[in-house]
Amino acid sequence: SQTIHQWPATLVQPVGSPLSLECTVEGTSNPNLYWYRQAAGRGLQLLFYSIGIDQISSEVPQNLSASRPQDRQFILSSKKLLLSDSGFYLCAWSAGLAGGGDTQYFGPGTRLTVL
Amino acid sequence: AQSVTQPDIHITVSEGASLELRCNYSYGATPYLFWYVQSPGQGLQLLLKYFSGDTLVQGIKGFEAEFKRSQSSFNLRKPSVHWSDAAEYFCAGSPPGAGSYQLTFGKGTKLSVIP
Repeated sequence: SQTIHQWPATLVQPVGSPLSLECTVEGTSNPNLYWYRQAAGRGLQLLFYSIGIDQISSEVPQNLSASRPQDRQFILSSKKLLLSDSGFYLCAWSAGLAGGGDTQYFGPGTRLTVL
Repeated sequence: AQSVTQPDIHITVSEGASLELRCNYSYGATPYLFWYVQSPGQGLQLLLKYFSGDTLVQGIKGFEAEFKRSQSSFNLRKPSVHWSDAAEYFCAGSPPGAGSYQLTFGKGTKLSVIP
């Protein structure tokens, strides 16, 4: 069966520091991968999605970036964190069904607090 | 524009009572529809999904949802709520057809259960 991991689970960082959040998926190949941010009272915001290595789309312009160094690894980064980057970051994967109706499965999330 | 709306921000029910969480969608054609549940500090867990066919969909944990095209709704129901059902519930949709990778989420309904 497929599993998705995220780490760290919790992170407290000062403003201006760099960020690296990691997500890995096991038990599947060529998944679509997604990064979401969930801020209090604001629902889920899609940040990036990737349908393959070197194929990453950004949904919201900001100081975050994403990379996919391996097929089942997705990394969210920032060079300098802002206070507004605080939130709960969720990674998700889907099988990438060409016919549509792709179901997304979520990881446990990373709670990021920027002070 | 495509959208998913959850009209109720917070609902409180007594344990053992029935539950209905509302979800309305706005798409040009019938979308794929999903319900997810999120416990505090956790990722999202898929409860059920609707792609086509039978309009009454059964999910995990005793939940079901009914797709009603005439009302553009996909309401989640449970006949008898347990205290462990207290969580936040998200309805989501994606457009029909190939290449439909992106989910649009409602803002969520927080469910509280009174013992």
